[in-house]
Parts: sequence; structure tokens; C-alpha cells
Amino acid sequence: GAGVSQSPSNKVTEKGKDVELRCDPISGHTALYWYRQSLGQGLEFLIYFQGNSAPDKSGLPSDRFSAERTGGSVSTLTIQRTQQEDSAVYLCASSSDRPRSGNTIYFGEGSWLTVV
Amino acid sequence: AQSVTQLDSQVPVFEEAPVELRCNYSSSVSVYLFWYVQYPNQGLQLLLKYLSGSTLVESINGFEAEFNKSQTSFHLRKPSVHISDTAEYFCAVSSNTGNQFYFGTGTSLTVIP
Repeated sequence: GAGVSQSPSNKVTEKGKDVELRCDPISGHTALYWYRQSLGQGLEFLIYFQGNSAPDKSGLPSDRFSAERTGGSVSTLTIQRTQQEDSAVYLCASSSDRPRSGNTIYFGEGSWLTVV
Repeated sequence: AQSVTQLDSQVPVFEEAPVELRCNYSSSVSVYLFWYVQYPNQGLQLLLKYLSGSTLVESINGFEAEFNKSQTSFHLRKPSVHISDTAEYFCAVSSNTGNQFYFGTGTSLTVIP
């Protein structure tokens, strides 16, 4: 597609429920990233995919968080048993190659998650 | 690993005045440096980047940033700001050895009429 597409754009869920956030990267981009943006906290790295594998998932905050990428394209971030502290904007980004090539990453508009 | 520090969380400035948003980084390897802008209710967009070569880089809307290796800085400047420049600005760093982009906590620029 023309840009990084994320869905849903807004999600309100009850504490304890599971949520899935979807990211469709720019066509042909092999690298995909998930970040979390909380109010006043900047961008927190969650996970990086190169193709379908995740060489760096060091930023996932707990085992309630998981992500997968299939077909080298669409990625899903799953949060199980959501907690109120999970409320944030979840940003997906993609780039044409890995960061060490100096590539630019392009962001989607984010999925705003509110846990009540 | 790398890290990025943006010392100023909020910068108010009058319209047509100059502005500088500060960014410092730490890294033991060669870095690539970026500034991203996030307008209200929008996603992050690339403003400018430094990969190599000339240490002064410019964007199409009048911003510029200078890579200073000795001071490990990549400050963003604009000689005359407009109301439309009101946004959140993020400095970011990546390297030729890592897998991540590291972002600062952002600077909220508010241009006052």
C-alpha cells in the first residue's frame, strides 16, 4: 500500500480482555517495528521483525505481549489479559531494510488502546 | 546500545522567532540520526536525517540540523517559525550494527501568535 496501515485506530476494552492490533506495512518493506507511545513517555520500542522472524523482541514488557508476522507482510500485536497500564498508542513502522543500512522508518497513524 | 536525550520537553516560541530543539545521543559506534515530527492527531513523519557526508542537513520546510560528533549532538533549528510548526518533535538514532531505532522523549514546540 501507499503507507503503513494500522487497525483499529481506536479500541476500548475491558480490563482482563485480550486485544489484537494489526499492522499492514508498506509493500516490499522487509523490516517492521512496533512501538508504544504513552503520554509524556516518548516512544518505547517493543519488537522488530526482519521478514517473518523477530531478531529483537527485547522491548516486549511482559509475557502478556506477543507479536507475529506472516508472509513477510502483515503483523499482529496481541495483548492478553489487558491491564490499565497498557493504555497507550501502539505505533507500527516499516522500512525497506534493516536499521544498519541507515534506512528511514515510516510510521502508521497508530492504534489508540484504552483499557477501562 | 544507543540512547537519545532531548532535554527540553516543552518549547514555547513566538511566531517568526528562531528556535533550537536540542538532541544529544550516546553511542560507541557510528550512528545515523533522524528528526521526526508529529502534528496533532497524526502519525510521525520524517523531517530530516543524517547518514554521512555534510554535517548540515536541511528539510523542505526550513528546518536544519547539524551533526556534531565531538559534542554528540544533532540539534534542530529554524530561523523563523510559523504557527503550522506547532507539533511534537522526536530525535532518533540508529546504527550500522543494531536492530533498533532509539527515540528521545520528544519536545513539544508551541508557536505563539
